[in-house]
Amino acid sequence: KAGVTQTPRYLIKTRGQQVTLSCSPISGHRSVSWYQQTPGQGLQFLFEYFSETQRNKGNFPGRFSGRQFSNSRSEMNVSTLELGDSALYLCASSLDGQGGLNTEAFFGQGTRLTVV
Amino acid sequence: LAKTTQPISMDSYEGQEVNITCSHNNIATNDYITWYQQFPSQGPRFIIQGYKTKVTNEVASLFIPADRKSSTLSLPRVSLSDTAVYYCLVGSNTGGFKTIFGAGTRLFVKA
Repeated sequence: KAGVTQTPRYLIKTRGQQVTLSCSPISGHRSVSWYQQTPGQGLQFLFEYFSETQRNKGNFPGRFSGRQFSNSRSEMNVSTLELGDSALYLCASSLDGQGGLNTEAFFGQGTRLTVV
Repeated sequence: LAKTTQPISMDSYEGQEVNITCSHNNIATNDYITWYQQFPSQGPRFIIQGYKTKVTNEVASLFIPADRKSSTLSLPRVSLSDTAVYYCLVGSNTGGFKTIFGAGTRLFVKA
């Protein structure tokens, strides 16, 4: 089956602009999580969506937002870009673990965002 | 704040067995232990997961003692292509995958 698809793979934006990144999860997966990875901070959790609702949120400013559509595809948006937002943005899809079942998360290749 | 502690880096040679130990003293009853591998500019890839005792799959083994306060990832006969960062995660994705990643262990395999 197809893996997690993130688009675009690379993006260059200017400070102050906004950007939207897209993630298509594995078919049947309803949970989509977003992570930011930088050399200095490592992998940091942004938020998680399930059934079109943000269910979990990390410690990021309100400039970072997201949404999920009825087909489980998810987008994340960053407004008023800052140089420090340059990072690899990763999304992961997973089945929602229930009843003690803990399933793995599948990551996409990521979107490399460069803010200049 | 990451719930795990693992070595920052390790070196090995091709063909050797590599063991990476992770400490997780505050592991909760519902938490699973999961290891991921990440190559540069790629997303992490699931390696193995366990709850207690020993788990083995085609690429690795995971040893978890009875108190579950630590775990050891064992990679048999590593090759150059195993050079990567290895993350030990502790948590449960019941209610969503939101696990905090630590710094990981950078494994460098030499010829």
